[in-house]
Amino acid sequence: GAVVSQHPSWVICKSGTSVKIECRSLDFQATTMFWYRQFPKQSLMLMATSNEGSKATYEQGVEKDKFLINHASLTLSTLTVTSAHPEDSSFYICSAHRDRGTDTQYFGPGTRLTVL
Amino acid sequence: KQEVTQIPAALSVPEGENLVLNCSFTDSAIYNLQWFRQDPGKGLTSLLLIQSSQREQTSGRLNASLDKSSGRSTLYIAASQPGDSATYLCAGSSNTGKLIFGQGTTLQVKP
Repeated sequence: GAVVSQHPSWVICKSGTSVKIECRSLDFQATTMFWYRQFPKQSLMLMATSNEGSKATYEQGVEKDKFLINHASLTLSTLTVTSAHPEDSSFYICSAHRDRGTDTQYFGPGTRLTVL
Repeated sequence: KQEVTQIPAALSVPEGENLVLNCSFTDSAIYNLQWFRQDPGKGLTSLLLIQSSQREQTSGRLNASLDKSSGRSTLYIAASQPGDSATYLCAGSSNTGKLIFGQGTTLQVKP
């Protein structure tokens, strides 16, 4: 159990367009979902924490108007990269948490975004 | 502010060796400590979760320890195999569930 999926697995888009990435918990309800970004040969950096039915909490330095997060249900969170630019090219990974603090986070397979 | 450091950044060993990966963290008020494996271009696979009240966890050939007083965790891999080649990440969490990741150790096990 505890499977998290992401869609799409990779996307290539033109500069200036917006891209939506979905994160779904397939067999459990996620009270909290997290979005991370990983640049090549670097570690994961937390971008934002998403709780169902409330606004996301963004980490320092992450533009909330550029990275729109919607956690519409207990099984789905979306990240929209608005007006994407080449510097937004990265590997975006989500994770889902069942029980805050007491449980491991379950990670999605990641989405590779390339902005031309 | 929690900071997590992993040493070494890269490690290459012959097959069959036992090895230790190190992780250190600055805030002893850590809630739990997790070790993950990441294959190139892939997501993360959780290996072991050590809660703050625990000192170690074992799964197969893997053993992870946690010493909050010294701010250290180690991942021990016994009898390494080429299939163990990957990047290993440790991450500390607060009671809000936020994970702070180390930079990772890239392991290569040579046949």
